Amino acid sequence: QTVVTQEPSLTVSPGGTVTLTCASSTGAVTSGYYPNWFQQKPGQTPRALIYSTSNKHSWTPARFSGSLFGGKAALTLSGVQPEDEADYYCLLYYGPNWVFGGGTKLTVL
Amino acid sequence: EVQLVESGGGLVQPGGSLRLSCAASGFTFSTYWMSWVRQAPGKGLEWVANIKEDGSEKYYVDSVKGRFTISRDNAKNSLFLQMNSLRAEDTAVYYCARDRFGSPHDYWGQGTLVTVSS
Repeated sequence: QTVVTQEPSLTVSPGGTVTLTCASSTGAVTSGYYPNWFQQKPGQTPRALIYSTSNKHSWTPARFSGSLFGGKAALTLSGVQPEDEADYYCLLYYGPNWVFGGGTKLTVL
Repeated sequence: EVQLVESGGGLVQPGGSLRLSCAASGFTFSTYWMSWVRQAPGKGLEWVANIKEDGSEKYYVDSVKGRFTISRDNAKNSLFLQMNSLRAEDTAVYYCARDRFGSPHDYWGQGTLVTVSS
């Protein structure tokens, strides 16, 4: 069974920078896994942030960026704002299926 | 404006059936793959199934294969999920979501809650 692993929780100070990662049990994450990132705030529907590793949706704030680093997909938040406190999920493609990571709870403190 | 509105959730006994619907508007429904994604209470997201634009290809997570069926009616801009042999572990909010190549789930509905309990 394929497992996608994220940090369970991270804490960052307002204005700081934090990187969330997404690892695959099958090996290194590459662009062929089409890494996607989603944000979900309490009581809200998930919102797409990043698709195909590093592409932003029209609504994605500039401080969010996606990349591949050290065999993992990564989501970096630069200049973190209090409203960025949320759960973040990565999604990887294992054709023809998709698998979400367990999510990272980001606390801004 | 893209809108996805799910309906059909509710309380069902183990072993029972339920059919979820998703009404789409604001985009050309027949040109997009569509997915169902679920979230158990207090848990993370789980991709459940998706369907090609013309309904000719359908894929499922292993845990629902043989019990759930995804379908669509492009004439009515609607997506469906027929859920049979429901189990307690199927209890979740079910979201429908629009898919683009390389960019799955770019738009989401508000979700509909399915509770499987006796």
